[in-house]
Amino acid sequence: GQSLEQPSEVTAVEGAIVQINCTYQTSGFYGLSWYQQHDGGAPTFLSYNALDGLEETGRFSSFLSRSDSYGYLLLQELQMKDSASYFCAVHGKAGTALIFGKGTTLSVSS
Amino acid sequence: DAGVIQSPRHEVTEMGQEVTLRCKPISGHDYLFWYRQTMMRGLELLIYFNNNVPIDDSGMPEDRFSAKMPNASFSTLKIQPSEPRDSAVYFCASSFGGGGAEETQYFGPGTRLLVL
Repeated sequence: GQSLEQPSEVTAVEGAIVQINCTYQTSGFYGLSWYQQHDGGAPTFLSYNALDGLEETGRFSSFLSRSDSYGYLLLQELQMKDSASYFCAVHGKAGTALIFGKGTTLSVSS
Repeated sequence: DAGVIQSPRHEVTEMGQEVTLRCKPISGHDYLFWYRQTMMRGLELLIYFNNNVPIDDSGMPEDRFSAKMPNASFSTLKIQPSEPRDSAVYFCASSFGGGGAEETQYFGPGTRLLVL
């Protein structure tokens, strides 16, 4: 079967750093994506990792270890506006649908 | 590009009525996806199309649900008859496909459906 595991909730304060982990069990793994969804909004793409290592985009970074079937999203210098749900999603072979995790709700307080 | 367009944005209907949700994908995208999101079940893939052809409809909950894509720029998701348990946010998303980063999906704003 295929499964993704991520924590359901994470809390942090403004200015802090938070890491959201994602472990997966799938057949035919081709990459890992992260999406952000604010309350009442639509999921929006944040990052994509196909190879092992760290990808940095501003305050957000995403890491992948294919050998460990593990990835994480790192959010630095947290701001209140980062309060949202974050989904990891596994890419299968071309032409197949992404498999989304159940999401992690991040709450940032002042 | 305007992004993925969905209509209506909100729909309130009574049990037993037919509901039709509409989606216009991003021009040039070959893949179109329909999702349903609820607090209890999270984000569920209902069906997806490649070049207007349904590829996988195993997520469609039951025969009351049907989806069509008559051309590259339009898709509908129909529920007939609707039931209160169908209340959810329905998202349409599109992508280029082709593997790797081109599988990135772009979501529409969603249709918030309430069946009374």
